[in-house]
Amino acid sequence: NAGVTQTPKFQVLKTGQSMTLQCAQDMNHNSMYWYRQDPGMGLRLIYYSASEGTTDKGEVPNGYNVSRLNKREFSLRLESAAPSQTSVYFCASSDFLQGARTEAFFGQGTRLTVV
Amino acid sequence: KNQVEQSPQSLIILEGKNCTLQCNYTVSPFSNLRWYKQDTGRGPVSLTIMTFSENTKSNGRYTATLDADTKQSSLHITASQLSDSASYICVVSAGGGYNKLIFGAGTRLAVHP
Repeated sequence: NAGVTQTPKFQVLKTGQSMTLQCAQDMNHNSMYWYRQDPGMGLRLIYYSASEGTTDKGEVPNGYNVSRLNKREFSLRLESAAPSQTSVYFCASSDFLQGARTEAFFGQGTRLTVV
Repeated sequence: KNQVEQSPQSLIILEGKNCTLQCNYTVSPFSNLRWYKQDTGRGPVSLTIMTFSENTKSNGRYTATLDADTKQSSLHITASQLSDSASYICVVSAGGGYNKLIFGAGTRLAVHP
């Protein structure tokens, strides 16, 4: 059981380049999320998808776009990378968006450096 | 502004010793509080979840407490092991949904032999 799988694990981009981070989950979860984690700060929500076919902005959506390709896959796209987007990106999934007992499972992260 | 603050930022203890990590929050409306463990280079993994009515929850050697009146939580680790070396993140839900989670910056724990 793989859980949440992110690709790639590491990436170096030049300023202005574009790329897509891929995320897939095999737990039949309805909701999926993209976070970024910066040194000394807590994880911040970029975008989320409460269910297949829906996406919404989180706390820090500027410079990113997302696609909920199907129930399993949720991708994050950087159209024109900037040094401020250097971070570790985590994808997560959960049964549902709501629920005090709902558990979220995280991928292993993608470490992105923009030079 | 919703905030979650953790202390200390980092901690070094010897194997076999106990330790307690602190979390203070100003989050409204409060729904639940979670503690996660994050190993270096990995994603966070859930340790405990507590709702408003729960004031303690255990998961093996990990025991979390919650005081909703003072808006404080603690994570106590008993008989530490080398594998406990990780960051521990306190997360508060502002309203219940996963789109409403407020993450602390974490406490980095190092357990030395």
